[in-house]
Amino acid sequence: GENVEQHPSTLSVQEGDSAVIKCTYSDSASNYFPWYKQELGKGPQLIIDIRSNVGEKKDQRIAVTLNKTAKHFSLHITETQPEDSAVYFCAATSGNTPLVFGKGTRLSVIA
Amino acid sequence: DTAVSQTPKYLVTQMGNDKSIKCEQNLGHDTMYWYKQDSKKFLKIMFSYNNKELIINETVPNRFSPKSPDKAHLNLHINSLELGDSAVYFCASSQESGPQYNEQFFGPGTRLTVL
Repeated sequence: GENVEQHPSTLSVQEGDSAVIKCTYSDSASNYFPWYKQELGKGPQLIIDIRSNVGEKKDQRIAVTLNKTAKHFSLHITETQPEDSAVYFCAATSGNTPLVFGKGTRLSVIA
Repeated sequence: DTAVSQTPKYLVTQMGNDKSIKCEQNLGHDTMYWYKQDSKKFLKIMFSYNNKELIINETVPNRFSPKSPDKAHLNLHINSLELGDSAVYFCASSQESGPQYNEQFFGPGTRLTVL
């Protein structure tokens, strides 16, 4: 089955700097890669997703890149703000199986 | 107008008891899920269910059972609670009819503590 590895487990950045979180997956059939943000005491919320037919997707300060050959995808957050502090999860699926999540990255943005 | 709601938000109980967590979604989705998030924040699928099929993660003990009275509800029943069941349980839903995987909407979670 699918295995998703996520790095780093914790990340601290200064406000205004960029943050990058990387994930690798094992199943070459995976074709949907969402990123979720989980704030303290709340459920995960989708912030961006990418499908295997594109290599990059951007939404304001957030972007995701996908390298299908290398089987890795990354989340990029630019101009970080304190409200970006949260736990971020990557996930992958082929559509025939449930989402498999990475172990999460705790991002701290220091003002 | 909460999309996915869960009750209760907190549940504290003794080992050996039986408890239930309720989940409701008002999004009209056809698929619902239960996830377990442990103290290290690992999110693991327990069940996925639509009106056609229940998929069970084989690592989930049979003390856990999902029950769906209708398309908008998927409740989680847990028998003979153990200390290791302490975690946050999340319900989620998505619209999965068709070939394309879609966004899952998560509930606020239920923190279960077994004493």
